[in-house]
Amino acid sequence: SYVLTQPPSVSVAPGKTARITCEGINIGIKSVHWYQQKKPGQAPVLVIYYDRDRPSGIPERFSGSNSGNTATLTINRVEAGDEADYYCQVWDSRSDHLVFGGGTKLTVL
Amino acid sequence: EVQLVESGGGLVKPGGSLRLSCAASGFTFTDAWMSWVRQAPGKGLEWVGRIKSKTDGGTIDYAAPVKGRFTISRDDSKNTLYLQMNSLKIEDSAVYYCATAVGDYWGQGTLVTVSS
Repeated sequence: SYVLTQPPSVSVAPGKTARITCEGINIGIKSVHWYQQKKPGQAPVLVIYYDRDRPSGIPERFSGSNSGNTATLTINRVEAGDEADYYCQVWDSRSDHLVFGGGTKLTVL
Repeated sequence: EVQLVESGGGLVKPGGSLRLSCAASGFTFTDAWMSWVRQAPGKGLEWVGRIKSKTDGGTIDYAAPVKGRFTISRDDSKNTLYLQMNSLKIEDSAVYYCATAVGDYWGQGTLVTVSS
C-alpha cells in the first residue's frame, strides 16, 4: 500500500518560515491535501487542497507545492496560533484507498 | 452553513456492534462522496472508508483493518451517512469523524471505546 512519510516534529520561531514535508513515491503525480488539527479529538481543518489551493478563510501565509517524491506545506510568518498537528493526504488510485501521512507536530518556539 | 453531526458512539465490549450516524445539512448531500476517518487516542488520522454518490455508482471502499467488519451506507432521503461496526476490537477504539470526501467539511467526531 502507498505510504506517506512526514517528520514527527518541526520547530520554528515566531515570524519565521515553517516547511513541513510529505514524502511518497512519485507523489508529484498525485493530488495532495493538507490538514491542520489543533488538538487531538478536534476536527481537522483543510488548509491546502489539490497541492496548492487554499480554501476560503485560510491565510495566504499557507502555501503548498508538490513535485517528484516530496510535497511541502509552507507557512510564512509563523504565528503562535499555527501550533498544531499537520497531516498530508492523497488518494491512492491503485488501491482505491485514502492515505494519510503520520502527521507533523509544529511547535512555535 | 454546512454541518456534519455524528452520533452513536459509546462504550462496547469486544466482539460487539455499534452503528454511527452522521447527519448532514447545508449542502447537496445526494451529490456528495462521503468518508469516515478515525483517530485512536494519541495517534494520527486513519481513513476508514468512502462511499460515492448514487449518481456516481455508490461504490464503497474500505481500509484493510475494517474490511469485512464495517459497513458504510447512506440514506439520501434523510441526508444521513452510517457506519455499521461489527466484531469490534479494542484497537477500533477511536474518535470517528465523518467528512466530505474532498475533506473540506468534517463533523466534530464521536468517541467509540471498545473495552471489556
